[in-house]
Amino acid sequence: GDSVTQMEGPVTLSEEAFLTINCTYTATGYPSLFWYVQYPGEGLQLLLKATKADDKGSNKGFEATYRKETTSFHLEKGSVQVSDSAVYFCALTSPYNFNKFYFGSGTKLNVKP
Amino acid sequence: DVKVTQSSRYLVKRTGEKVFLECVQDMDHENMFWYRQDPGLGLRLIYFSYDVKMKEKGDIPEGYSVSREKKERFSLILESASTNQTSMYLCASSGTGDSYEQYFGPGTRLTVT
Repeated sequence: GDSVTQMEGPVTLSEEAFLTINCTYTATGYPSLFWYVQYPGEGLQLLLKATKADDKGSNKGFEATYRKETTSFHLEKGSVQVSDSAVYFCALTSPYNFNKFYFGSGTKLNVKP
Repeated sequence: DVKVTQSSRYLVKRTGEKVFLECVQDMDHENMFWYRQDPGLGLRLIYFSYDVKMKEKGDIPEGYSVSREKKERFSLILESASTNQTSMYLCASSGTGDSYEQYFGPGTRLTVT
Protein backbone atom coordinates (compact mmCIF):
# COMPACT_ATOMS: atom_id res chain seq x y z
CA GLY A 1 0.00 0.00 0.00
CA ASP A 2 0.88 3.66 -0.07
CA SER A 3 3.31 4.92 2.54
CA VAL A 4 5.76 7.65 3.44
CA THR A 5 9.13 7.20 5.13
CA GLN A 6 11.04 10.12 6.52
CA MET A 7 14.29 10.38 8.38
CA GLU A 8 14.17 10.01 12.11
CA GLY A 9 15.02 12.90 14.32
CA PRO A 10 15.75 14.85 16.14
CA VAL A 11 17.90 16.91 13.82
CA THR A 12 19.95 19.56 15.61
CA LEU A 13 21.54 22.37 13.63
CA SER A 14 23.13 25.71 14.33
CA GLU A 15 21.51 28.85 13.02
CA GLU A 16 22.27 29.52 9.33
CA ALA A 17 23.16 25.88 8.65
CA PHE A 18 21.82 24.01 5.62
CA LEU A 19 18.86 21.72 6.24
CA THR A 20 17.85 18.51 4.49
CA ILE A 21 15.09 16.25 5.75
CA ASN A 22 14.74 13.12 3.65
CA CYS A 23 11.38 11.76 2.56
CA THR A 24 10.69 8.80 0.30
CA TYR A 25 7.36 7.37 -0.67
CA THR A 26 5.63 4.32 -2.04
CA ALA A 27 2.52 4.89 -4.10
CA THR A 28 0.67 3.76 -7.18
CA GLY A 29 0.55 6.27 -9.96
CA TYR A 30 1.33 9.92 -9.38
CA PRO A 31 0.46 11.03 -5.86
CA SER A 32 0.43 14.61 -4.65
CA LEU A 33 3.19 15.30 -2.12
CA PHE A 34 3.24 17.69 0.83
CA TRP A 35 5.34 18.99 3.65
CA TYR A 36 3.59 20.11 6.80
CA VAL A 37 5.11 21.86 9.83
CA GLN A 38 3.91 21.63 13.42
CA TYR A 39 5.09 24.15 16.00
CA PRO A 40 4.90 23.17 19.69
CA GLY A 41 1.32 22.89 20.91
CA GLU A 42 -0.14 23.71 17.50
CA GLY A 43 -1.84 21.94 14.63
CA LEU A 44 -0.18 21.13 11.32
CA GLN A 45 0.37 23.89 8.79
CA LEU A 46 0.80 23.23 5.10
CA LEU A 47 4.34 24.31 4.21
CA LEU A 48 4.55 23.37 0.53
CA LYS A 49 3.25 20.93 -2.03
CA ALA A 50 3.94 19.41 -5.45
CA THR A 51 1.40 17.67 -7.61
CA LYS A 52 3.42 16.19 -10.46
CA ALA A 53 6.85 14.86 -11.24
CA ASP A 54 9.67 17.44 -11.33
CA ASP A 55 7.49 20.08 -9.67
CA LYS A 56 9.28 22.14 -7.04
CA GLY A 57 7.26 23.36 -4.09
CA SER A 58 8.60 26.32 -2.16
CA ASN A 59 7.59 28.55 0.73
CA LYS A 60 9.37 30.62 3.42
CA GLY A 61 12.79 29.60 2.07
CA PHE A 62 11.97 25.88 2.13
CA GLU A 63 12.00 23.84 -1.07
CA ALA A 64 11.24 20.29 -2.12
CA THR A 65 11.31 18.67 -5.57
CA TYR A 66 9.04 15.81 -6.60
CA ARG A 67 11.42 13.13 -7.92
CA LYS A 68 9.52 10.29 -9.53
CA GLU A 69 12.64 8.34 -10.47
CA THR A 70 13.83 8.14 -6.85
CA THR A 71 10.34 8.38 -5.28
CA SER A 72 11.58 11.18 -3.06
CA PHE A 73 10.49 14.60 -1.85
CA HIS A 74 13.33 15.87 0.33
CA LEU A 75 12.87 19.13 2.22
CA GLU A 76 15.70 21.67 2.05
CA LYS A 77 16.46 25.13 3.37
CA GLY A 78 19.65 27.03 2.76
CA SER A 79 19.89 28.83 6.09
CA VAL A 80 17.76 27.79 9.05
CA GLN A 81 16.66 30.09 11.85
CA VAL A 82 15.82 29.39 15.48
CA SER A 83 12.18 30.05 14.56
CA ASP A 84 12.25 27.03 12.20
CA SER A 85 12.43 24.71 15.20
CA ALA A 86 9.39 22.45 14.81
CA VAL A 87 8.30 19.00 13.70
CA TYR A 88 8.12 18.45 9.94
CA PHE A 89 5.82 15.90 8.33
CA CYS A 90 6.01 14.55 4.81
CA ALA A 91 2.69 13.36 3.39
CA LEU A 92 1.07 12.09 0.22
CA THR A 93 -2.38 11.63 -1.15
CA SER A 94 -3.26 9.17 -3.83
CA PRO A 95 -4.85 10.16 -7.14
CA TYR A 96 -7.21 7.20 -6.61
CA ASN A 97 -8.43 8.33 -3.20
CA PHE A 98 -7.88 11.97 -2.38
CA ASN A 99 -9.54 11.63 0.99
CA LYS A 100 -6.79 9.36 2.25
CA PHE A 101 -3.63 11.07 3.46
CA TYR A 102 -0.50 9.14 4.36
CA PHE A 103 1.76 10.93 6.82
CA GLY A 104 5.33 10.21 7.72
CA SER A 105 6.24 9.87 11.37
CA GLY A 106 7.60 13.41 11.61
CA THR A 107 11.12 14.79 12.03
CA LYS A 108 11.85 17.14 14.89
CA LEU A 109 14.20 20.00 14.03
CA ASN A 110 16.05 21.90 16.75
CA VAL A 111 17.92 25.02 15.67
CA LYS A 112 20.39 26.46 18.17
CA PRO A 113 21.46 30.11 18.17
CA ASP B 1 -6.77 32.16 4.28
CA VAL B 2 -8.43 28.90 5.22
CA LYS B 3 -9.44 28.88 8.81
CA VAL B 4 -10.22 25.77 10.81
CA THR B 5 -11.14 26.35 14.42
CA GLN B 6 -11.62 23.90 17.25
CA SER B 7 -13.80 24.60 20.26
CA SER B 8 -11.18 24.05 22.94
CA ARG B 9 -7.39 24.01 23.08
CA TYR B 10 -7.28 22.07 26.34
CA LEU B 11 -9.93 19.87 27.88
CA VAL B 12 -9.95 17.72 31.02
CA LYS B 13 -12.70 15.16 31.45
CA ARG B 14 -13.42 12.28 33.77
CA THR B 15 -13.66 8.62 32.78
CA GLY B 16 -17.17 7.76 31.57
CA GLU B 17 -18.12 11.31 30.61
CA LYS B 18 -19.55 12.09 27.18
CA VAL B 19 -17.20 14.45 25.37
CA PHE B 20 -17.91 16.68 22.37
CA LEU B 21 -15.12 18.15 20.27
CA GLU B 22 -16.28 20.74 17.76
CA CYS B 23 -14.60 21.83 14.55
CA VAL B 24 -15.63 24.62 12.21
CA GLN B 25 -14.15 25.59 8.85
CA ASP B 26 -14.88 28.74 6.89
CA MET B 27 -13.82 27.73 3.38
CA ASP B 28 -16.92 25.83 2.24
CA HIS B 29 -14.88 22.62 2.08
CA GLU B 30 -16.66 19.38 1.30
CA ASN B 31 -14.35 17.12 3.27
CA MET B 32 -13.61 17.16 6.99
CA PHE B 33 -11.46 14.87 9.09
CA TRP B 34 -10.68 13.96 12.69
CA TYR B 35 -7.26 12.63 13.64
CA ARG B 36 -5.58 11.82 16.88
CA GLN B 37 -1.87 12.34 17.38
CA ASP B 38 0.14 10.35 19.89
CA PRO B 39 3.90 10.23 20.49
CA GLY B 40 5.45 7.43 18.49
CA LEU B 41 2.21 6.67 16.63
CA GLY B 42 1.96 9.72 14.40
CA LEU B 43 -1.37 10.89 13.04
CA ARG B 44 -4.17 8.36 12.86
CA LEU B 45 -7.47 8.97 11.11
CA ILE B 46 -10.55 8.44 13.26
CA TYR B 47 -13.39 9.47 10.92
CA PHE B 48 -13.94 11.63 7.91
CA SER B 49 -16.93 13.16 6.18
CA TYR B 50 -17.25 14.03 2.51
CA ASP B 51 -20.65 15.69 2.70
CA VAL B 52 -23.30 16.78 5.16
CA LYS B 53 -24.64 13.78 7.08
CA MET B 54 -22.12 11.51 5.36
CA LYS B 55 -19.30 9.86 7.26
CA GLU B 56 -16.78 7.09 6.87
CA LYS B 57 -14.66 5.26 9.39
CA GLY B 58 -10.97 5.84 9.41
CA ASP B 59 -8.29 3.64 10.86
CA ILE B 60 -9.29 3.84 14.53
CA PRO B 61 -13.04 4.57 14.88
CA GLU B 62 -13.65 2.43 17.95
CA GLY B 63 -14.94 4.44 20.90
CA TYR B 64 -15.78 7.47 18.74
CA SER B 65 -18.69 8.75 16.71
CA VAL B 66 -19.12 11.87 14.58
CA SER B 67 -21.81 14.23 13.47
CA ARG B 68 -22.00 16.56 10.48
CA GLU B 69 -25.31 18.40 10.37
CA LYS B 70 -23.95 21.48 8.59
CA LYS B 71 -21.26 21.72 5.95
CA GLU B 72 -18.97 23.91 8.03
CA ARG B 73 -19.15 21.92 11.27
CA PHE B 74 -17.85 18.45 12.15
CA SER B 75 -18.14 17.10 15.67
CA LEU B 76 -16.27 14.25 17.29
CA ILE B 77 -18.05 12.49 20.14
CA LEU B 78 -16.54 10.26 22.77
CA GLU B 79 -19.57 8.42 24.10
CA SER B 80 -17.86 7.30 27.30
CA ALA B 81 -14.40 8.73 27.68
CA SER B 82 -11.61 6.44 28.78
CA THR B 83 -8.05 7.15 29.87
CA ASN B 84 -6.66 5.64 26.65
CA GLN B 85 -8.40 8.42 24.74
CA THR B 86 -6.10 10.99 26.30
CA SER B 87 -4.50 12.50 23.22
CA MET B 88 -4.14 15.49 20.90
CA TYR B 89 -7.12 15.68 18.54
CA LEU B 90 -6.72 17.43 15.22
CA CYS B 91 -9.47 18.46 12.86
CA ALA B 92 -8.79 19.11 9.17
CA SER B 93 -10.73 20.09 6.07
CA SER B 94 -10.12 19.90 2.35
CA GLY B 95 -11.86 21.00 -0.79
CA THR B 96 -11.78 19.64 -4.30
CA GLY B 97 -8.99 20.68 -6.55
CA ASP B 98 -5.78 19.43 -8.03
CA SER B 99 -4.22 18.22 -4.82
CA TYR B 100 -6.85 18.04 -2.04
CA GLU B 101 -4.47 19.44 0.55
CA GLN B 102 -5.77 19.30 4.08
CA TYR B 103 -5.90 22.33 6.38
CA PHE B 104 -5.67 21.73 10.08
CA GLY B 105 -7.06 23.37 13.16
CA PRO B 106 -4.91 24.18 16.22
CA GLY B 107 -5.76 20.94 17.98
CA THR B 108 -7.47 20.00 21.24
CA ARG B 109 -5.38 18.38 23.92
CA LEU B 110 -7.78 16.12 25.79
CA THR B 111 -6.90 14.58 29.13
CA VAL B 112 -9.17 11.91 30.58
CA THR B 113 -8.64 11.24 34.27
